[in-house]
Amino acid sequence: GQQLNQSPQSMFIQEGEDVSMNCTSSSIFNTWLWYKQEPGEGPVLLIALYKAGELTSNGRLTAQFGITRKDSFLNISASIPSDVGIYFCAGPTTSGTYKYIFGTGTRLKVLA
Amino acid sequence: DSGVTQTPKHLITATGQRVTLRCSPRSGDLSVYWYQQSLDQGLQFLIQYYNGEERAKGNILERFSAQQFPDLHSELNLSSLELGDSALYFCASSVMGLAGAGGELFFGEGSRLTVL
Repeated sequence: GQQLNQSPQSMFIQEGEDVSMNCTSSSIFNTWLWYKQEPGEGPVLLIALYKAGELTSNGRLTAQFGITRKDSFLNISASIPSDVGIYFCAGPTTSGTYKYIFGTGTRLKVLA
Repeated sequence: DSGVTQTPKHLITATGQRVTLRCSPRSGDLSVYWYQQSLDQGLQFLIQYYNGEERAKGNILERFSAQQFPDLHSELNLSSLELGDSALYFCASSVMGLAGAGGELFFGEGSRLTVL
């Protein structure tokens, strides 16, 4: 079945640094979703991408839908302490039973 | 606020008991998804309903069941509870429910179940 590989698994960065994380798959996705989850809370949708090559921003966050439709990237610029959390990529399956596949998450810690 | 409402937020119960978790999707969303998240783990897909009908099943135990009602709210029933069932249970909703149709998925704040 379709799987999403997310990297890195975790990151420790200094406040003010930029962050990059990515999500890859062996199969095509038509939609890429990026979420942030803070401890004990539900995932919050950050950015949705619908077209290959699309670049979308949400404040300091920028995400791109890869040209091959098999990958997506999320960048966070000038990180701040409240960026701490787990970032997940996700996408709906393109064949068979309809469901959303989630990446394993990137755990981000920001050091002040 | 995602517009997805889950109750209760916290639940503590004993092994062998049964609990019901409730979810109201965002207005206009026809699909409801249930996920389980154990401590420091990823999101495990349990089951999906679309407009009242079961559409997809994931790693849902036989002790667990769910349904979606005509008003589109959904309930997840967990029975014969075991210690390992302690987890966060999330409901999510989307407009779409068909393969390849895309669409955004919105999560509720979750129900934290503790089984003692």
